[in-house]
Amino acid sequence: NAGVTQTPKFQVLKTGQSMTLQCAQDMNHEYMSWYRQDPGMGLRLIHYSVGAGITDQGEVPNGYNVSRSTTEDFPLRLLSAAPSQTSVYFCASRRLSGTGDGYTFGSGTRLTVV
Amino acid sequence: GENVEQHPSTLSVQEGDSAVIKCTYSDSASNYFPWYKQELGKGPQLIIDIRSNVGEKKDQRIAVTLNKTAKHFSLHITETQPEDSAVYFCAASKTNFGNEKLTFGTGTRLTIIP
Repeated sequence: NAGVTQTPKFQVLKTGQSMTLQCAQDMNHEYMSWYRQDPGMGLRLIHYSVGAGITDQGEVPNGYNVSRSTTEDFPLRLLSAAPSQTSVYFCASRRLSGTGDGYTFGSGTRLTVV
Repeated sequence: GENVEQHPSTLSVQEGDSAVIKCTYSDSASNYFPWYKQELGKGPQLIIDIRSNVGEKKDQRIAVTLNKTAKHFSLHITETQPEDSAVYFCAASKTNFGNEKLTFGTGTRLTIIP
């Protein structure tokens, strides 16, 4: 049971390049989400999904796309990277049964856009 | 939307003493309040959570209290140990079977002085 796996761990992009951050979970969690973490700002929600084929925007969705074709995977796409997207990105998942079960976070992807 | 404020941003305590971190939230409909611990280079890990129908919850050396009237909740760590050094985040959400957005505080860096 690997939990939430994020790849890559580190990435440097040039402004305007595109890339996909990968997130996979093996816990059969319905809910998956992406956060970005910036100094002094905590974690901010980018996009989330409550199941395959369903996605919705969070607090800071601009510049990012997501899709959810399977329960296990929830990739985050940067269409045209900008320096403002330099951040640490975390994927998190949880079960939807019951209320408020704790989120499981991945170990993060540190992205630098130059 | 929800706004969560967290204080202090940094906290240093002597090993064996207690540490208290406080958070306030703005949305009176929020009903789920988790606390996360983040160690260097890792993703946040849930350490304790509380729901709005409970005023206090304990788990060994950690406890969380909730004051719904004042809209604030606190994390208490007793008999602190060096391994408690980390960044702690509070969060709040309205659990709605996945259609919730977990809003985080800006974090508290706790340092335990041996």
